[in-house]
Amino acid sequence: DAGVIQSPRHEVTEMGQEVTLRCKPISGHNSLFWYRQTMMRGLELLIYFNNNVPIDDSGMPEDRFSAKMPNASFSTLKIQPSEPRDSAVYFCASSLVQGAQIYGYTFGSGTRLTVV
Amino acid sequence: GNSVTQMEGPVTLSEEAFLTINCTYTATGYPSLFWYVQYPGEGLQLLLKATKADDKGSNKGFEATYRKETTSFHLEKGSVQVSDSAVYFCALFNFGNEKLTFGTGTRLTIIP
Repeated sequence: DAGVIQSPRHEVTEMGQEVTLRCKPISGHNSLFWYRQTMMRGLELLIYFNNNVPIDDSGMPEDRFSAKMPNASFSTLKIQPSEPRDSAVYFCASSLVQGAQIYGYTFGSGTRLTVV
Repeated sequence: GNSVTQMEGPVTLSEEAFLTINCTYTATGYPSLFWYVQYPGEGLQLLLKATKADDKGSNKGFEATYRKETTSFHLEKGSVQVSDSAVYFCALFNFGNEKLTFGTGTRLTIIP
C-alpha cells in the first residue's frame, strides 16, 4: 500500500496566484481530511469528506479556499487568490470508519506551500 | 463536545531519561485513544492506540494506558533516544464523529 499520496511536496507561488494541492487517499478508505499546520496555530482541520461528500467545512478560513472530491481516489484543495498568510504545510489524511471504530487514520507527507 | 489536553512543551531530556507526556480528555461514552508522532519534515504517524478502558497500547518502547477513571492516556518510555525527538500528538475518536480530535502537540527534544 502506497499510503496517502500528496502532490506537490513543495510549492512556491506569488501572491494572487491560484494554488491547487492534490491528494490520493488509501484505497478502501471512506473519509478524507485536509489539515493545515503552522507554528502559530498548530494543526487545524480545514474540511473533511465522507463517501466523497463534504461533511464539515467550518475550518476553511475564507472563501478563497475550496475543496473537492470528485471520486473516491482523488481530492483537491484550491486557494484562489493566494496570500502570504496561507504559507503553511497542508496535510491530507484518510481513514475507514465502520460503526463505532476507526481504522487507519493515515496522513500524507504534506505539501509545504510558500506564498511570496 | 470532545477535547484533548496535552502538557505544554517543549520538553527537553537527556538520552536514556524516563519520559512522560501527559494527556487528558473530555468525551462522552467510550472513545478510542491514540498517540501520533511527527518527525521533522514528515506527516503524523500512528504510534499506538487503545480502544477500551484499561487497554495498554505499545510500540517502539512507548506505552500508554487508557484510564477511564482519570480520563487520561499518558505516554511513557523508559529510556529515550535522540531519534525520539519529534512532536507527539494525543487524539481521540468518538462514535458519531468521523474525525479524530487532536491535542495541540508536545515537542520533545532528546540531547545526547
